[in-house]
Amino acid sequence: SQQGEEDPQALSIQEGENATMNCSYKTSINNLQWYRQNSGRGLVHLILIRSNEREKPSGRLRVTLDTSKKSSSLLITASRAADTASYFCATDVSPGANNLFFGTGTRLTVIP
Amino acid sequence: SQTIHQWPATLVQPVGSPLSLECTVEGTSNPNLYWYRQAAGRGLQLLFYSVGIGQISSEVPQNLSASRPQDRQFILSSKKLLLSDSGFYLCAWSPRLAGGPGTQYFGPGTRLLVL
Repeated sequence: SQQGEEDPQALSIQEGENATMNCSYKTSINNLQWYRQNSGRGLVHLILIRSNEREKPSGRLRVTLDTSKKSSSLLITASRAADTASYFCATDVSPGANNLFFGTGTRLTVIP
Repeated sequence: SQTIHQWPATLVQPVGSPLSLECTVEGTSNPNLYWYRQAAGRGLQLLFYSVGIGQISSEVPQNLSASRPQDRQFILSSKKLLLSDSGFYLCAWSPRLAGGPGTQYFGPGTRLLVL
């Protein structure tokens, strides 16, 4: 299936440290998105990176995409306790397709 | 601005009872609409999506059905709930774009417990 897989499944860091989460997928994509989910809440979109982009920053977040390796990473710099959440990558399949395939998520815990 | 509403927030239902979860979107027209289910500590499973009134696509065979009676209303239903229907149900919308699904915007979710 196209569904992405995040790595690691869980990550625990101290406040102020950087957190890196990885996502791998199986087939060609047009774009890849990262979402955040606080416990028991809906998902919130963070960043969309297109297949012709290699890196995209957004504040303390930075997403990279390597289409040759079919992988992406999400870097959160100078983490805060409020960054504690689950992070999911999602990939589209092809132009005109209406669906996103979500990975299984990385549970990030930032210890104050 | 666009907003998405889901209700109820929490629901406890006995096995064999019917289900109706409602999702409505405000502030946009002709959205793509989605129903997902999320098991505890797991990723999202796409259940249904709709690109227009009365147009429903099902991703997995299951005990559930969906309907879109109005442009910005998406309903998830079941005639008889199973224990395995328990989970966190999320509704989402995305703008109708030529190049694909684009960003999806999620509702707050409904936690369903079937006993």
